[in-house]
Amino acid sequence: DGGITQSPKYLFRKEGQNVTLSCEQNLNHDAMYWYRQDPGQGLRLIYYSQIVNDFQKGDIAEGYSVSREKKESFPLTVTSAQKNPTAFYLCASSPTQNRPYEQYFGPGTRLTVT
Amino acid sequence: AQSVAQPEDQVNVAEGNPLTVKCTYSVSGNPYLFWYVQYPNRGLQFLLKYITGDNLVKGSYGFEAEFNKSQTSFHLKKPSALVSDSALYFCAVRDKELTGGGNKLTFGTGTQLKVEL
Repeated sequence: DGGITQSPKYLFRKEGQNVTLSCEQNLNHDAMYWYRQDPGQGLRLIYYSQIVNDFQKGDIAEGYSVSREKKESFPLTVTSAQKNPTAFYLCASSPTQNRPYEQYFGPGTRLTVT
Repeated sequence: AQSVAQPEDQVNVAEGNPLTVKCTYSVSGNPYLFWYVQYPNRGLQFLLKYITGDNLVKGSYGFEAEFNKSQTSFHLKKPSALVSDSALYFCAVRDKELTGGGNKLTFGTGTQLKVEL
């Protein structure tokens, strides 16, 4: 899982509560990404950021929010507006220079909302 | 948009036998293709990529993949499977290069590989 940490590993919340997932990287990567993984659906991009204080919506951004106040950190908030928040959430990072193309993933956070 | 398809939800193989996990792609332009592996409740680990050059790409843990332009395929292979190779494998394609750097990847739905003694 390289130099990307996600915490906590498991998270349980009641419906209607916002919850924030942590993602930290020490790889000095400029770009960071959040994915959602559901069984049989692969990974879907929620948000990405290429520079501090800037981020862009991915394919399924509704009900989620992010911030990028530091290069190393890219927290994801799952809001009460997300209709089906129970999933496995993966954070990734990549350089933006020298075009290595691949992304490096953290260990993930499994969120269960009841 | 670019896409990849993994036609098999599960592949079973005996230890010591060769394994193949299939991936086909649909892109406009030159494809940038990746394979990742995921062990239970873990993040994805990068195995290998095809950007340009030789059609046979060698990666981590003895895995390789063959890029076939005419068949639009990028199958993952290993000559001799190990029980420890049992995991979920994802094929991915670069959907687009993001303005400012970085890449948007599109992932397949994954293939569960089970290697048995």
